[in-house]
Amino acid sequence: DSGVTQTPKHLITATGQRVTLRCSPRSGDLSVYWYQQSLDQGLQFLIHYYNGEERAKGNILERFSAQQFPDLHSELNLSSLELGDSALYFCASSVDFYNEQFFGPGTRLTVL
Amino acid sequence: GQQVMQIPQYQHVQEGEDFTTYCNSSTTLSNIQWYKQRPGGHPVFLIQLVKSGEVKKQKRLTFQFGEAKKNSSLHITATQTTDVGTYFCAGTVEYGNKLVFGAGTILRVKS
Repeated sequence: DSGVTQTPKHLITATGQRVTLRCSPRSGDLSVYWYQQSLDQGLQFLIHYYNGEERAKGNILERFSAQQFPDLHSELNLSSLELGDSALYFCASSVDFYNEQFFGPGTRLTVL
Repeated sequence: GQQVMQIPQYQHVQEGEDFTTYCNSSTTLSNIQWYKQRPGGHPVFLIQLVKSGEVKKQKRLTFQFGEAKKNSSLHITATQTTDVGTYFCAGTVEYGNKLVFGAGTILRVKS
């Protein structure tokens, strides 16, 4: 158990819908990262928050947005969902920018 | 943008054989990290290398960071079935602000 929690574990929804994925980092970690992993794909970095502020953006679509709240949990919002958005979404946390990242169990999103 | 290339994409070995995966960057890295993801699981941190030419060992695993800090390797001696999974390298460009993952090497071990 990495100490990072993600909810829900599974999510099945239809095209055009909007969903919110939630992540709680390890106690004491200020950084939260979001990654997308499609079938047979590597980890695509989406976005990084540090202590409530956006620090880095990767290949995140405009339909996707994220935020980190004062209690340091984070949410990833995916809207106007398309079939191609079906993937595993991982959240990871770390103490600061360059330390090891601890990954949560992931949320498997299926868009039908 | 920054890219971290990893080879091979896939390797299938007989139990007891050695295994190596390589990671290359076109730009100098401030550090390199290695992660392992078991089938159906999430990535788990293995190690971080920071210094040029650094070599670190964890039991049967040997990690190297190149002199120019542009490449790295992970070598597993005498693979076991518990080694199966995908091994990812991830690097941060010098003065950069994000960790870029390689595509990963999938290791399968035949017993």
